[in-house]
Amino acid sequence: LAKTTQPISMDSYEGQEVNITCSHNNIATNDYITWYQQFPSQGPRFIIQGYKTKVTNEVASLFIPADRKSSTLSLPRVSLSDTAVYYCLVGRSTGAGSYQLTFGKGTKLSVIP
Amino acid sequence: DTGVSQNPRHKITKRGQNVTFRCDPISEHNRLYWYRQTLGQGPEFLTYFQNEAQLEKSRLLSDRFSAERPKGSFSTLEIQRTEQGDSAMYLCASSGQGEGYGYTFGSGTRLTVV
Repeated sequence: LAKTTQPISMDSYEGQEVNITCSHNNIATNDYITWYQQFPSQGPRFIIQGYKTKVTNEVASLFIPADRKSSTLSLPRVSLSDTAVYYCLVGRSTGAGSYQLTFGKGTKLSVIP
Repeated sequence: DTGVSQNPRHKITKRGQNVTFRCDPISEHNRLYWYRQTLGQGPEFLTYFQNEAQLEKSRLLSDRFSAERPKGSFSTLEIQRTEQGDSAMYLCASSGQGEGYGYTFGSGTRLTVV
């Protein structure tokens, strides 16, 4: 599975747009890019998934350039409750039907009032 | 259905004791995963079930660890002869057909081995 690199931490003021960029230089053709959010003492929560170009849902947008070697998670107008760790993952379905995810250390986002 | 349920939420045990955790996935989900997370690290994959079949196991899953999913419903993770290095958050996740990487995780069981 492709290794991902993302900033260890980021700070942002409330109301600002936050962009977290992740690099995955060794991404393979069949790999999908997935982002999760995790609050302390809770399990990770799925945010968004994409393969190429742009994906948007009610929570975030995911931008993936044509070469797919990086991706950017965009959180519009963050609030204090968005303070969490954000994980960028590259996942691939295995022959056993599993969609195994390999988590890195993630990006700790701190939203400041 | 309120999501993935894990019990207990916290477990403190003495080194050498056996412990068992339970996971109740979302009822219609056929895929079930166990992950382990230590402080400051991301979750690490332990094992995967499709229905009742355990199809993948990580090298992290030593002989002291065993997982079951009888009848393809709830799952249990047992750790025998616990060691201090087993102290971690044990997370269960499930996903259904067509959901791919969109797992639903439980809140985990935090194990402390003293």
